[in-house]
Amino acid sequence: SQKIEQNSEALNIQEGKTATLTCNYTNYSPAYLQWYRQDPGRGPVFLLLIRENEKEKRKERLKVTFDTTLKQSLFHITASQPADSATYLCAPFLTGTASKLTFGTGTRLQVTL
Amino acid sequence: SQTIHQWPATLVQPVGSPLSLECTVEGTSNPNLYWYRQAAGRGLQLLFYSVGIGQISSEVPQNLSASRPQDRQFILSSKKLLLSDSGFYLCAWTFGRGQETQYFGPGTRLLVL
Repeated sequence: SQKIEQNSEALNIQEGKTATLTCNYTNYSPAYLQWYRQDPGRGPVFLLLIRENEKEKRKERLKVTFDTTLKQSLFHITASQPADSATYLCAPFLTGTASKLTFGTGTRLQVTL
Repeated sequence: SQTIHQWPATLVQPVGSPLSLECTVEGTSNPNLYWYRQAAGRGLQLLFYSVGIGQISSEVPQNLSASRPQDRQFILSSKKLLLSDSGFYLCAWTFGRGQETQYFGPGTRLLVL
């Protein structure tokens, strides 16, 4: 069956360091993959989208990579700040699945001073 | 610009009581609409989605139902709530037509006692 795996353990990182979050998927061939940020008690907010023919995508301090051979996406936050503390969700998308996204369970990032 | 509204923000209901959660979108037409549930510490579970008025697809069999009486209105209902219906309910929309970034509402926190 199709599965999305994100590290369920929280990632604790010191301010200024680079945070790297992992999203692995199995039995999928996503046309693209999205990353969202979710703060406690709020709805997820879209951050980045990367397509299957793109290796890397950047937006300010954020960088996403997409390795279709490894079936993995990495999400990097450089120069992390306490305000980056949140849960980050990955969501691969399959074409032909009637506009449905499937979300991973998310990884909680905690950036400390 | 587009906005999405959900109400109520918080709801406490007894087991066996009915439920009606409403979601409306402004500033766009013919959106795809989605209902998700997020249990405490869990990922987003897609419950229903709709690509047009009166068109509802159910993802998970349960005692919930959804309706779309108007283009930008999506309603989640139940005739008799169960304890397991407690959770954070999120409505989301997309432009459809291959543009699949999802825009989430603020959510409704439901506690069934």
